[in-house]
Parts: sequence; structure tokens; C-alpha cells
Amino acid sequence: GDSVTQMEGPVTLSEEAFLTINCTYTATGYPSLFWYVQYPGEGLQLLLKATKADDKGSNKGFEATYRKETTSFHLEKGSVQVSDSAVYFCALSDQGFQKLVFGTGTRLLVSP
Amino acid sequence: NAGVTQTPKFQVLKTGQSMTLQCAQDMNHNSMYWYRQDPGMGLRLIYYSASEGTTDKGEVPNGYNVSRLNKREFSLRLESAAPSQTSVYFCASSGDPNYNEQFFGPGTRLTVL
Repeated sequence: GDSVTQMEGPVTLSEEAFLTINCTYTATGYPSLFWYVQYPGEGLQLLLKATKADDKGSNKGFEATYRKETTSFHLEKGSVQVSDSAVYFCALSDQGFQKLVFGTGTRLLVSP
Repeated sequence: NAGVTQTPKFQVLKTGQSMTLQCAQDMNHNSMYWYRQDPGMGLRLIYYSASEGTTDKGEVPNGYNVSRLNKREFSLRLESAAPSQTSVYFCASSGDPNYNEQFFGPGTRLTVL
């Protein structure tokens, strides 16, 4: 079945450092890919998405490129802020299946 | 426009008690979902409703029932709560049948003693 694998956390960075959170997927069809962010005590919010190969999703300085050849959708940000501290979830939605499959989440901690 | 709302925010139950978690959305979405979130497990789908009048099991449906009351509301019921159901429960909705972008509520933190 479909699955999403994320890097284990927590990821601990200093403010202004470069961020990469790895995400790879397994899917039978041509999925759409998402990154969601969860701030402490809140629900999940969509951060960015990509619906086909080579698409780049971007939002709030975060970017991720849909790489079909490596089945990856790594999240990057050039300069993190303390306010980026949160849990980040990679997810996929296979065409025709009205469900999301989530990774286990990666906690990001950014210190001043 | 409140998006997805959930009640209650917190609940403590004793083993064997029952309760219903309420969810409502005001975005006119067809699809609604219930997830549970446990440490190290990510989000796991309990039940979903692709449209008003239909419900389907997700990954972990045992011990739960759902009702799609109308297009806006989707409730989750625990008939006889167990400690293994201690979790954070999220409701979500989606109006996009192609790419399934989902919008989440703030969650209900449930503890079963």
C-alpha cells in the first residue's frame, strides 16, 4: 500500500540555519504530495503542495520539489526562525482515493 | 468563516464510558474525516465520509462509530471507551476531489482512565 517515510526528529537548529527535512514515498499511482505543519496545541495546517512531477510547492519561505525519479518531496528553508518550531508532516494523496497518507512527523526546534 | 470546529477540546473518561466528539465545517465541503494522533505514529485515519450519506472505515476503525448528520457535521462516537483510545482526535474536511487538500480542526484531547 501507499506509505510515506520521514526523517526521525527532533531536528535542532539555530536561528538563520538552513533546513532540510527528508520525505520519501511509495505509491502505486501518481500522487499529490503535501507538507503540513502543526504548531504546539493546534491542528494541522497545509504548508505547501505539489500535484505532479517536477512541480515545486512554496509558502512562507519553505519549498519542496516533487521528484518522481527519487520518489521524494524534501522540505527546505534557507533561513529558519524561532517561530518555525513545530512538527512537520509529509503526506500523499493518490488519485481517486479520497484519503491522505501521513508520515510520522518531524519535530523542528529552532533556538535563538 | 470558522473553518472546521471541534467540541470538546478536552475530555477525561473512565473505562467503559461513552461519548461523542462533534465536528462541523462551514466550507461546504463534501468529504470529512476523523483521525487520531499518537506519539510516534503520525495521524491514522479512523473513518471518513466521502459525501453526505456515506461513511467508510479507515485504518483503525475498531471501537468507534461515526454519523454524517448532514453536509456540515460528522460525529465520532466511542461506545465503551478503553485506555488504548487515549489520544488526540482531529476532524478534517476536503472540497477538492482531485487533490484532496484537507483542512483540520483544532483537535480534541481525550484521556481514558
